[in-house]
Amino acid sequence: QQPVQSPQAVILREGEDAVINCSSSKALYSVHWYRQKHGEAPVFLMILLKGGEQKGHEKISASFNEKKQQSSLYLTASQLSYSGTYFCGTEWLGTGTASKLTFGTGTRLQVTL
Amino acid sequence: NAGVTQTPKFQVLKTGQSMTLQCAQDMNHEYMSWYRQDPGMGLRLIHYSVGAGITDQGEVPNGYNVSRSTTEDFPLRLLSAAPSQTSVYFCASSSSQGSTYEQYFGPGTRLTVT
Repeated sequence: QQPVQSPQAVILREGEDAVINCSSSKALYSVHWYRQKHGEAPVFLMILLKGGEQKGHEKISASFNEKKQQSSLYLTASQLSYSGTYFCGTEWLGTGTASKLTFGTGTRLQVTL
Repeated sequence: NAGVTQTPKFQVLKTGQSMTLQCAQDMNHEYMSWYRQDPGMGLRLIHYSVGAGITDQGEVPNGYNVSRSTTEDFPLRLLSAAPSQTSVYFCASSSSQGSTYEQYFGPGTRLTVT
């Protein structure tokens, strides 16, 4: 079962903030976040593990709420370069391997001037 | 390092034809996988390999075969192409199947089956 991402799409002005959510109906072990620009391959952003701390790098950070089985990606003071489609990939407890990531359907983010 | 490379970039097939999508990586990664990406569906895992000689099925394996004879190469074979296999195919690799390792994606192959 694919994780559910919300919103499906969002348009921001440069400098605004955004939050992208990723929810699972199953107990999660890890959540991976990737960004894909149009016509390109997905690029890794970060991994969050069950019981781990909130991750961040520059103005993009993420959290993992074990009680809600949800991860949120926070984009602060967005830049034009943040435009793209964001995917979460989830690994469920009991699968035995992170190689079987199940990706959400993506959130399209567009940053405008 | 070239990273993960895929060939061809574009391919058009007729229904019933077979072909092999090539994937190679030069990072000495043990884990490799194939995904297909369709509009509104995200990335779906077709097959994966945790090392040379070891492969397993993902979510959508029907109509595809894989083999892994070397660490570097992981080709994906379409046995008898169908229009439902029209998609963008991505190959990915990582240094381990462990949860803490990121996947590196190739540039993709855009396949159209008519």
